[in-house]
Formats: sequence, structure tokens, C-alpha cells
Amino acid sequence: DQQVKQNSPSLSVQEGRISILNCDYTNSMFDYFLWYKKYPAEGPTFLISISSIKDKNEDGRFTVFLNKSAKHLSLHIVPSQPGDSAVYFCAASASYDMRFGAGTRLTVKP
Amino acid sequence: GAGVSQSPSNKVTEKGKDVELRCDPISGHTALYWYRQSLGQGLEFLIYFQGNSAPDKSGLPSDRFSAERTGGSVSTLTIQRTQQEDSAVYLCASSLGPPAGKQYFGPGTRLTVL
Repeated sequence: DQQVKQNSPSLSVQEGRISILNCDYTNSMFDYFLWYKKYPAEGPTFLISISSIKDKNEDGRFTVFLNKSAKHLSLHIVPSQPGDSAVYFCAASASYDMRFGAGTRLTVKP
Repeated sequence: GAGVSQSPSNKVTEKGKDVELRCDPISGHTALYWYRQSLGQGLEFLIYFQGNSAPDKSGLPSDRFSAERTGGSVSTLTIQRTQQEDSAVYLCASSLGPPAGKQYFGPGTRLTVL
């Protein structure tokens, strides 16, 4: 039962352009959403989060948008840089329960 | 100021053997989580500790899996009679406590069952 889905396993963008990573969830009890970034042979690292009371949170080049009615969130990276190439996991939580998507591999080409 | 550490980093074992994976969380973090990432899959929640107690063990795949945490710090995940489908990267994370928010992950233990 996948409560958090990232339907695009991979995404390739040109350096300087916008990267948009999408995530859908099914459980309306989720009230906190996060994006993690993972490099090979390392654990995921926290990138940005958003509470369900907001619809947008921005941190530098990274912006997360939340559409509660559609149960959808997205991560925008502008401008994309080659160092952003990694696997990005979307996560959603309710209390201690945190569920992760399968990840999207982002490749930023110079 | 060490982060979350896990040992061993790699473990190769034969089917049917028992393995023990260790996690050292960040000092002061009361919540500790175990996840599993199989090839091509997302992170699968296994178990959560608040202090030394595990309120929810329903994520453990079978009764061959068990976990404990002592002293509110180190946790061990034990897999008995390993099977090939247990092969995965086992990740540990810790946080200051519920509600689940920013978790800090260890580098993981890659388990290969031959």
C-alpha cells in the first residue's frame, strides 16, 4: 500500500533550468511533508519541509508547493546545478509515522 | 557532534544465518527509526522507538525481524534465519522526537544474503 508516490523514476534537466519533482499522497492524515536528497552510498539528507497549514515554503533555490485538495506536492529547484544530481525522496508524516516515495533520480547536465 | 552511525557498513551472509545491525543515533535524540530500501524501491518503514519503547512494530516484515533499543541510545535490528529477500540497505534515522519531522539518517548497512 503505497501511501506516497513519486511517479517519475528519473528526470533530466539542463543546468540553469528549473527542475520540478512531483509527489502524490493518499492519506489525508498526513500533516507534514519533507523532501530528502540522497547521494550514492550515503543516507538521505533533509532538504526542505512544509506543514499542512502552508501551501508554499521557500529556501534559496528550493521551493516546495503543497496542494492539499489534490494531495500533491512538488519540489522546484531554480536554477538547477550539476551538484543537484541525486535521488530525491518525498516523505509525508502523521505523528511518528513517516512514509517515503520511491524516489526520483535527478540528473542535471552541464 | 557526530551524526548517526551504523555498523557494519556492509554485511554478506549466507541464507539461514542470523545478522545483527547496529545504529548509534545522535546524542539527545529520543526518537529512532529503522527503514529498509530494497533495490529500486523507496524507503520502507520498519519500526520506531521513542526512548526504549517501540509503540508500533507493525512495519517489521516478519517475526524473523526484531529490534531493541537500550539506554535510549543504541539500537540493534536483528534478522534471524535470513532469506535472500532480506537483501537491502537498512537505514537508521534519529530525531528529537515526534511528531515525525526532520530525521537525520545514517549511511546505512548494505545486507546481502547469498
